[in-house]
Amino acid sequence: GAGVSQSPSNKVTEKGKDVELRCDPISGHTALYWYRQSLGQGLEFLIYFQGNSAPDKSGLPSDRFSAERTGGSVSTLTIQRTQQEDSAVYLCASSLVGRSYGYTFGSGTRLTVV
Amino acid sequence: AQSVAQPEDQVNVAEGNPLTVKCTYSVSGNPYLFWYVQYPNRGLQFLLKYITGDNLVKGSYGFEAEFNKSQTSFHLKKPSALVSDSALYFCAVRDMNNNAGNMLTFGGGTRLMVKP
Repeated sequence: GAGVSQSPSNKVTEKGKDVELRCDPISGHTALYWYRQSLGQGLEFLIYFQGNSAPDKSGLPSDRFSAERTGGSVSTLTIQRTQQEDSAVYLCASSLVGRSYGYTFGSGTRLTVV
Repeated sequence: AQSVAQPEDQVNVAEGNPLTVKCTYSVSGNPYLFWYVQYPNRGLQFLLKYITGDNLVKGSYGFEAEFNKSQTSFHLKKPSALVSDSALYFCAVRDMNNNAGNMLTFGGGTRLMVKP
């Protein structure tokens, strides 16, 4: 597609429920990243996929968080047993692989855990 | 390791005045440097980047940034601020010699407030 697409744009869920957030990257972008942003603050790195390599999961805050990327394209971030502290904007970005390329970000999913 | 610092959480400037948003970086090799802007309730948008060549880089919306290797800085500037420039700005770096692959390291962000 023309840009990075994230869905849903907003999600309200009850504490303890599981949620799935979706990211559809730009076609041909082999690198995909997930970040978390709390209330207009900085970016917290979560996970990074590059091609067929094992993902860099070093930023996932707990084992309740997981992500997969199917067929090298669409990615799903899953949060199990959501907690109120999980409330944030989840941003996805994709890029070509190469040192001079920047990221293209989606508009994010605003998650509210009540 | 690569790192970025944005020393100001917030910058306030009057409309029509010049603005500067500061960024310093640390890399072991040569840097690739980027600026992104985030408007309310939006994702980050690319503004400009320095890869090589001229130290003064011009980008979107009239912004420019100057790469200063001796001071390891990449400050974002605009000659005349607009109220619509009010947003959150992020600096990012990638070390050309970094073995961590494609990852950018982002600064903590600086909120720019332009008052009419």
